[in-house]
Amino acid sequence: DTAVSQTPKYLVTQMGNDKSIKCEQNLGHDTMYWYKQDSKKFLKIMFSYNNKELIINETVPNRFSPKSPDKAHLNLHINSLELGDSAVYFCASSQGLRNNEQFFGPGTRLTVL
Amino acid sequence: AQSVTQPDIHITVSEGASLELRCNYSYGATPYLFWYVQSPGQGLQLLLKYFSGDTLVQGIKGFEAEFKRSQSSFNLRKPSVHWSDAAEYFCAVGAQGNDMRFGAGTRLTVKP
Repeated sequence: DTAVSQTPKYLVTQMGNDKSIKCEQNLGHDTMYWYKQDSKKFLKIMFSYNNKELIINETVPNRFSPKSPDKAHLNLHINSLELGDSAVYFCASSQGLRNNEQFFGPGTRLTVL
Repeated sequence: AQSVTQPDIHITVSEGASLELRCNYSYGATPYLFWYVQSPGQGLQLLLKYFSGDTLVQGIKGFEAEFKRSQSSFNLRKPSVHWSDAAEYFCAVGAQGNDMRFGAGTRLTVKP
C-alpha cells in the first residue's frame, strides 16, 4: 500500500543517455513534485505540477522534463545525461495548495558515469 | 521569497538525552513550517507541521516543535532520544503561492 512509489530505485547510466524515472501516487492528490537531493543532502525543488499548471524551477536545465499521463503519475525524463545529474531524485505529492503536507517517495539514486 | 536555515550540520547526542534541533526561517508573513525526517536510504517522512494556532506542535515519534515568531524559529525537540532517531532532519518553510523550501538538514547521531 505504498502511498508514493518510484521506479527504479537505482539507476546507473552513461553520460549522454536519455532516461526516465517513474512516479505514482495512490493518495488521490492533485499536485505532484520532483525534487533533487545532491550529495550534501540539499533538497531542491525542480517541478510542481497539477492538472492546471506546471511550475518549473528556473534553474532546472531544459534537458529535464516532467510528463504526467494522469493525475496519479508524474514521470521525469532526462535527456543527454551529464555527470552533474548524479543525485537522488524524490517524487512527492500533496492535496491542494503546494504548501500542504507533502508525501515523499523513497527516492531514485541516479549515477551518471 | 522564503528561506530556511538549519545552523547545525551534525549533532551527536547520547541515547536517553534530550534533543533540540534548530531552525530559523525568513518570511514576511506567517509561514507554514514543517519538520521532516529522512532515515538512511529512505524518503522523507513528515514529523509535524505548523500552519496556525497553538505555537507548540506535537508530532509523531514523540517529537514536538515550537513556533516563535519573535525569533523566527521553529526548533524541534524530543525529551529522550532513542537510537532509532538517528537520521537526517529537515526543516521546511512554505508560503502562500510559493514552493516549499528546505533547509540543508541536520544529521543526528545517537551514541549508545
